[in-house]
Amino acid sequence: EDQVTQSPEALRLQEGESSSLNCSYTVSGLRGLFWYRQDPGKGPEFLFTLYSAGEEKEKERLKATLTKKESFLHITAPKPEDSATYLCAAPFSGGYNKLIFGAGTRLAVHP
Amino acid sequence: NAGVTQTPKFQVLKTGQSMTLQCAQDMNHNSMYWYRQDPGMGLRLIYYSASEGTTDKGEVPNGYNVSRLNKREFSLRLESAAPSQTSVYFCASSPDPSSGANVLTFGAGSRLTVL
Repeated sequence: EDQVTQSPEALRLQEGESSSLNCSYTVSGLRGLFWYRQDPGKGPEFLFTLYSAGEEKEKERLKATLTKKESFLHITAPKPEDSATYLCAAPFSGGYNKLIFGAGTRLAVHP
Repeated sequence: NAGVTQTPKFQVLKTGQSMTLQCAQDMNHNSMYWYRQDPGMGLRLIYYSASEGTTDKGEVPNGYNVSRLNKREFSLRLESAAPSQTSVYFCASSPDPSSGANVLTFGAGSRLTVL
């Protein structure tokens, strides 16, 4: 069964305290692992796509990495404006059109 | 640059009432989607339309119908609303998933409460 699981559910950090969010997946023939950011009351916004194990992508204080079974979103020296829910997603085994999402990690960064 | 526009933003219904959520995109995308988001459950796909003239079921289609009116518009209809359909609904679009770069652009969401 296709599944995307994120941990932890919630994470509280002090400003400048680096950490990582985890996304594990059981999808046959992975055709991309996607990370989105969602602010309260808004729709998710695209951050990264990773396609193969070993691939890394960076954007400001965020770096996403991918292995054969999981992806990590590393947050280096976070700031309060990084507070949001981070979602990962992967296409269902059956086709590109259906993205299955994890439940998300709610990140709160305090000054 | 509007992107994906959903209406209404908020709606309260009584059990058994019907309503339609509207979605329009101005990015010339081929594919459109309807998701629902519930606390602790993430986003679940209700229906999608790979291209104009086609629609397919997602993970949780029961109780919903969709119409791909044209390339820009994709509506979601609740024929007889139930309290279990209380949720936040998101419409999304993507250019061409078959290319492998299935990056979705989401609307701001429609919060629906069924009493």
